[in-house]
Amino acid sequence: KAGVTQTPRYLIKTRGQQVTLSCSPISGHRSVSWYQQTPGQGLQFLFEYFSETQRNKGNFPGRFSGRQFSNSRSEMNVSTLELGDSALYLCASSLPSEKLFFGSGTQLSVL
Amino acid sequence: SQQGEEDPQALSIQEGENATMNCSYKTSINNLQWYRQNSGRGLVHLILIRSNEREKHSGRLRVTLDTSKKSSSLLITASRAADTASYFCATPSYGNNRLAFGKGNQVVVIP
Repeated sequence: KAGVTQTPRYLIKTRGQQVTLSCSPISGHRSVSWYQQTPGQGLQFLFEYFSETQRNKGNFPGRFSGRQFSNSRSEMNVSTLELGDSALYLCASSLPSEKLFFGSGTQLSVL
Repeated sequence: SQQGEEDPQALSIQEGENATMNCSYKTSINNLQWYRQNSGRGLVHLILIRSNEREKHSGRLRVTLDTSKKSSSLLITASRAADTASYFCATPSYGNNRLAFGKGNQVVVIP
């Protein structure tokens, strides 16, 4: 089975722009969650989607949004980018179990 | 604040030695997980220990859980250069797929 695939691997944007990141989960996994990782704040939960519905949301501003499609693929969008949004964005998929399978992440740099 | 907080230490050890790292958490849990992250990449699930378990082994990994002290430890025996990575503990928060991660322990194994 292919693992969790995140695209693109690297992204450079400027302040004020918006960005869309993509995640393809492992085949058969219906839950997709997103995490932000920064040197200062560590790993922080953004949101989780299951069967196209947002099931859980972390403490991030409304500029961060996501969605899940019927094939379980997920996208997250960040609008009006700020310098502090520079981070590694990680997507994880799972079956109905506690174990998460992570992708390699998208490294976003905001200039 | 985050559940799952490792002792803020960076370990540098020789190949063949054992590496131990600790994690504490604040509230009741039903399981605790350990993940490994190689530099700038995604996280890999290592082991999950449930609240009714005190010790668990997986290959060269040994995890202990002390719910009375709200703490866990991860032991890597006979370390290898390939074990060089950051290690995170994580506990479920408001749902199985919403994990609260600790800050991580960086382990460097010198060949």
